[in-house]
Amino acid sequence: DVKVTQSSRYLVKRTGEKVFLECVQDMDHENMFWYRQDPGLGLRLIYFSYDVKMKEKGDIPEGYSVSREKKERFSLILESASTNQTSMYLCASSKQGLGHSPLHFGNGTRLTVT
Amino acid sequence: DAKTTQPPSMDCAEGRAANLPCNHSTISGNEYVYWYRQIHSQGPQYIIHGLKNNETNEMASLIITEDRKSSTLILPHATLRDTAVYYCIVRVGTTNAGKSTFGDGTTLTVKP
Repeated sequence: DVKVTQSSRYLVKRTGEKVFLECVQDMDHENMFWYRQDPGLGLRLIYFSYDVKMKEKGDIPEGYSVSREKKERFSLILESASTNQTSMYLCASSKQGLGHSPLHFGNGTRLTVT
Repeated sequence: DAKTTQPPSMDCAEGRAANLPCNHSTISGNEYVYWYRQIHSQGPQYIIHGLKNNETNEMASLIITEDRKSSTLILPHATLRDTAVYYCIVRVGTTNAGKSTFGDGTTLTVKP
């Protein structure tokens, strides 16, 4: 089974802190994604990556950056956390190529910024 | 990627079939239909996908209309554990990531 592991299930950080959310997948997937999920807003794509050191902005990249130094690891960085970044963060991965390619999600990191 | 429309909520009696509709009228020829579900406090879980033909696996069946503008996910014998939010998305399978946009989904409540 594909496993996508997010390093923390719950995080509490203070406003202005630099926050790192880590995600690791074990299936050699080329594509990795970061979403945030908020009540009434569904899942919104923050950033994605289709190769090591490659990244593309999603729908809501403001206030976030990402890092993909190794194929299996995709990090989401909040340079200066703010209270409006309190949310559930979900990482996903998928295989690249033509045809079908399901997304595999981790169980999420619930971040609270106080 | 094309946008999808789903009803916000549905109820189903335990043991009966749950039929969840999805409208994707702007789907392109190379876009697949995917279904996921999310049980409270977990990440979304892949259920099934299809391009043109109907599909069935151990979890569900997917019926896609001939014009591909809508689809229905069928859970043949719903159980209480099928209570979840179900997402229908359309997505291109290409050589790069292919962004996937998730809407609000349908909250399915299976009742005893």
